[in-house]
Amino acid sequence: QVQLQQSGPELVKPGASVRISCKASGYTFTSYYIHWVKQRPGQGLEWIGWIYPGNVNTKYNEKFKGKATLTADKSSSTAYMQLSSLTSEDSAVYFCARDWDGGFAYWGQGTLVTVSA
Amino acid sequence: QIVLTQSPAIMSASPGEKVTLTCSASSSVSSSYLYWYQQKPGSSPKLWIYSTSNLASGVPARFSGSGSGTSYSLTISSMEAEDAASYFCHQWSSYPLTFGAGTKLELK
Repeated sequence: QVQLQQSGPELVKPGASVRISCKASGYTFTSYYIHWVKQRPGQGLEWIGWIYPGNVNTKYNEKFKGKATLTADKSSSTAYMQLSSLTSEDSAVYFCARDWDGGFAYWGQGTLVTVSA
Repeated sequence: QIVLTQSPAIMSASPGEKVTLTCSASSSVSSSYLYWYQQKPGSSPKLWIYSTSNLASGVPARFSGSGSGTSYSLTISSMEAEDAASYFCHQWSSYPLTFGAGTKLELK
């Protein structure tokens, strides 16, 4: 079965960077987009961007260009998102999700990032 | 970008009641690329309806979706306790992909 296992919660200082991982299993990693989505407490969902592991192409929401960097390691079937120059506005739960027929059919469990001094 | 406006923001429904949630788009969305997700507190969203009207695997038949252009809706024919959750609409018709702010559906 398709599974996306994300890395654990992160507590980081303002101005620092953090890298979140999303390990995929149960399907051919290189054949599907991996998307990243941000959710602030009690808020809606924001699409950050996608990576296609097959050719490592990426597409970003303009809002997150310069903030998020998406990468993928085919050898370990793991997608990564690095967030840089963190501020309190970046405190949120971040999800990875795999598409199916255009919808996000499979989701990771989410990674809580807390930015605090 | 396409802004998706959901209404109401919060609502409560009694068991057995018919519920309709709406999603209005600022520009036309291809019905093939309009989706709904259900999310319960502390959990990841779940794909609930895809391509406007197709139920995802395991979604009860009391749910339905409809719409076209700039107006979409999700309907529950008879509210059940397990349906209490937040519902988000989502479009992949144009970039950037966007989500509505959600409707929180509570059990009365």
